[in-house]
Amino acid sequence: AQSVTQLDSQVPVFEEAPVELRCNYSSSVSVYLFWYVQYPNQGLQLLLKYLSGSTLVKGINGFEAEFNKSQTSFHLRKPSVHISDTAEYFCAVSAWGSNYKLTFGKGTLLTVNP
Amino acid sequence: DAGVIQSPRHEVTEMGQEVTLRCKPISGHDYLFWYRQTMMRGLELLIYFNNNVPIDDSGMPEDRFSAKMPNASFSTLKIQPSEPRDSAVYFCASSPQDSYEQYFGPGTRLTVT
Repeated sequence: AQSVTQLDSQVPVFEEAPVELRCNYSSSVSVYLFWYVQYPNQGLQLLLKYLSGSTLVKGINGFEAEFNKSQTSFHLRKPSVHISDTAEYFCAVSAWGSNYKLTFGKGTLLTVNP
Repeated sequence: DAGVIQSPRHEVTEMGQEVTLRCKPISGHDYLFWYRQTMMRGLELLIYFNNNVPIDDSGMPEDRFSAKMPNASFSTLKIQPSEPRDSAVYFCASSPQDSYEQYFGPGTRLTVT
């Protein structure tokens, strides 16, 4: 079985500041990794994914994440946030051979203040 | 494409009543997932289908919950009888074959009083 831990439930930042949202996972087999974003009263949408290849993955809206196998982490970063980035961010894993099932973390609420 | 469509968007019902949530996946997608989101438990996978066949229902909380997918363009999640602890946002998501990207619907907010 696999699990995902998002270390911060809430992250407040000021506009144009950098941000890092932390994600650690646990799995007995290799995994694929994802970040999803949920805006208020909406469903989730995919920000970025790591399946293979370069460990630095770039996604939509200027976000990027780095897969670190030794630390079992997949932290999400953005060098300069906007008010519109205020949302809940979910890290998710899918184990190899799990038939596309995703296990989600509890989410991190990013609040960008002016 | 209109994306994943869920109905109703909001449902308020009394304890003991039957509730049916509906989902229309994106045309051509082979996988359909039902999730429940609560503050306490986060986002939980309830059940998923591949080509209309249930693959894994281990997340369904109890026998009061049932899901069907009679064809490729429609699925239902039924709760009978409903209880206050079923109050949550229920999401449907679909994905194409050989893809890990799931496309989520807007959700149904269920309140059981």
